[in-house]
Amino acid sequence: DAKTTQPPSMDCAEGRAANLPCNHSTISGNEYVYWYRQIHSQGPQYIIHGLKNNETNEMASLIITEDRKSSTLILPHATLRDTAVYYCIVRVETNAGKSTFGDGTTLTVKP
Amino acid sequence: DGGITQSPKYLFRKEGQNVTLSCEQNLNHDAMYWYRQDPGQGLRLIYYSQIVNDFQKGDIAEGYSVSREKKESFPLTVTSAQKNPTAFYLCASNTGLSPLHFGNGTRLTVT
Repeated sequence: DAKTTQPPSMDCAEGRAANLPCNHSTISGNEYVYWYRQIHSQGPQYIIHGLKNNETNEMASLIITEDRKSSTLILPHATLRDTAVYYCIVRVETNAGKSTFGDGTTLTVKP
Repeated sequence: DGGITQSPKYLFRKEGQNVTLSCEQNLNHDAMYWYRQDPGQGLRLIYYSQIVNDFQKGDIAEGYSVSREKKESFPLTVTSAQKNPTAFYLCASNTGLSPLHFGNGTRLTVT
């Protein structure tokens, strides 16, 4: 599975959009981009995933560049409860468990 | 509600003792996984099982053992051979093309 690079930390004002970047320049054609988040001392929670088209669900939007070498997770109206570590991973969709989780981005939403 | 149950939440052991961490799921998922997380770091895969009575080593299997006698259960034993067993242990499951679903972890402290 391809490796990913994320900034170690980011801040966001409450109510504003949080844009979390992820670089995955060695991604293969059959690898999906997945995003999870982990609130302190809990298990990670799935947020969204995509292959090459932009995706949106009730939690977030995922924007993948045309060359698929990077992506951005967007939380449109961040709340204090969105403070967490966000992990971007890439994997072949049928190989869920063999996923490499990097150190992620610690997002702090401030009032 | 369906989910993954990890017990206990906190576990304390003396050095040199084996300890078994429980993971039970009622999601009817085929695959189950164990990850280890150290402070400020991402998740590392210890073992995974894609079907009952079969399992494979992950990236850091040394000093750990698992069994998969039932679809819903995937216990992890931390043996005395594991040199740095103190960590946060996360169990996950999935089936088919679904994302990983995580439990809330067991924090093991060995002194």
